Amino acid sequence: GAVVSQHPSRVICKSGTSVKIECRSLDFQATTMFWYRQFPKQSLMLMATSNEGSKATYEQGVEKDKFLINHASLTLSTLTVTSAHPEDSSFYICSAPQGRETQYFGPGTRLLVL
Amino acid sequence: GEDVEQSLFLSVREGDSSVINCTYTDSSSTYLYWYKQEPGAGLQLLTYIFSNMDMKQDQRLTVLLNKKDKHLSLRIADTQTGDSAIYFCAERSGNTGFQKLVFGTGTRLLVSP
Repeated sequence: GAVVSQHPSRVICKSGTSVKIECRSLDFQATTMFWYRQFPKQSLMLMATSNEGSKATYEQGVEKDKFLINHASLTLSTLTVTSAHPEDSSFYICSAPQGRETQYFGPGTRLLVL
Repeated sequence: GEDVEQSLFLSVREGDSSVINCTYTDSSSTYLYWYKQEPGAGLQLLTYIFSNMDMKQDQRLTVLLNKKDKHLSLRIADTQTGDSAIYFCAERSGNTGFQKLVFGTGTRLLVSP
């Protein structure tokens, strides 16, 4: 199947700093990508839909000024967690649809804010 | 809103069949998916079924869909220890042009030798 990569796979940062996570579709183009958040032993919660060439669409309760999304090209979306706090520590996963039916997920980024 | 539920835990012996169940509430679902997540990893797409189908088989995997009852199941034949993971079902609403997925709570499958 198609491949989606994320970078970094793990990041530890100090409280108050910003962290950027990249999501790339490696062998296909994606005008839309999705960002999810997963807490330990819980399901994935959709945070936002990243749209190439336009603003991201955020789910209810997700602060758009805190989680900045930029869909810079047809193969790259970035999520920046601004002024990170310990409660932002989580596993962040991106995904990209390929065709009408399938959606492929990245390997995830584990963020720990100290 | 949409809601997808799964049982939390399933334990089987190696060689047995595993059946993981999922119920959903959105009657406009178009596609339903099964994903596998191993510890610390992303999600691996296992299989999916279109809502006008009631069964799909792919090697050891069989998906059954009862659209009337909004019930989806994944059967893994000859379960192996490598199948131990968390399995998520997900539904895609027909009301959106995007592939927005709603995930279930996940079922942790433990396969013992």
